[in-house]
Amino acid sequence: QQPVQSPQAVILREGEDAVINCSSSKALYSVHWYRQKHGEAPVFLMILLKGGEQKGHDKISASFNEKKQQSSLYLTASQLSYSGTYFCGTEFAGNMLTFGGGTRLMVKP
Amino acid sequence: DTGVSQNPRHKITKRGQNVTFRCDPISEHNRLYWYRQTLGQGPEFLTYFQNEAQLEKSRLLSDRFSAERPKGSFSTLEIQRTEQGDSAMYLCASSFVLDATGGYTFGSGTRLTVV
Repeated sequence: QQPVQSPQAVILREGEDAVINCSSSKALYSVHWYRQKHGEAPVFLMILLKGGEQKGHDKISASFNEKKQQSSLYLTASQLSYSGTYFCGTEFAGNMLTFGGGTRLMVKP
Repeated sequence: DTGVSQNPRHKITKRGQNVTFRCDPISEHNRLYWYRQTLGQGPEFLTYFQNEAQLEKSRLLSDRFSAERPKGSFSTLEIQRTEQGDSAMYLCASSFVLDATGGYTFGSGTRLTVV
C-alpha cells in the first residue's frame, strides 16, 4: 500500500516554514525521506525507525508517530535550495521501500 | 566511490523491441533495487536483490520484465516486447542492509521512450 502524502504542493517565500505529512495504513518498520530536484535522482535526507523518534540536521527535521503510522518532515527557515519534490518511503519488515506520490515544494525569493 | 551508475542514460526504442538496462551499484552495498518513475509520480517498486538473490518482485510487474544480478555485482533489467506504457524513467538504487541508519543511493536513471 502506497503511503499518502500531504499536501501535494507547497509554495513558500524564503525564510518560511513548511510541514509535509506521510501516512500509512500498515504498521511501519521505518520511514525514509528523499528530495528530488527536476531531472535528477532522489537524494536521501533521513531515516526514522519505529520508536517515535525525531531526527534532524540543519533546518530539516522529521518525526515518526508509530501509533498513528505517520511521519512528518519539517522544513524551517526555508532556502531556495529546498525547492524540489519530497518523497516519503515506507518500509515494512525490513524489505523494500514503497514511495508516496510526492510533495512539490517551491521556495520563492 | 563513484556512486550508482546506470547505462544508458536515454533509450528510444520502437514498440515491440527488447531493451536492456544496466546498473552498477556502490560496491559495498549488498542490496540493489529497481524502480520505475513516471512524470509527477513517486518511484514505483519493480524488484530487488540481496546479493545475487532476487528477493521480491512487484505483483504488478508484467512477465515481460526480467532482472538479474549475476555474482551479486551489477544488475540488468530487460523489457521484452516493449509497449508505449513502458515509457518511463527506470531508477536503480543500492543500500547496505546492515546499515540501519542509511538510506538508498539512487542512480541518475535510464529514460526509456517507446515510439
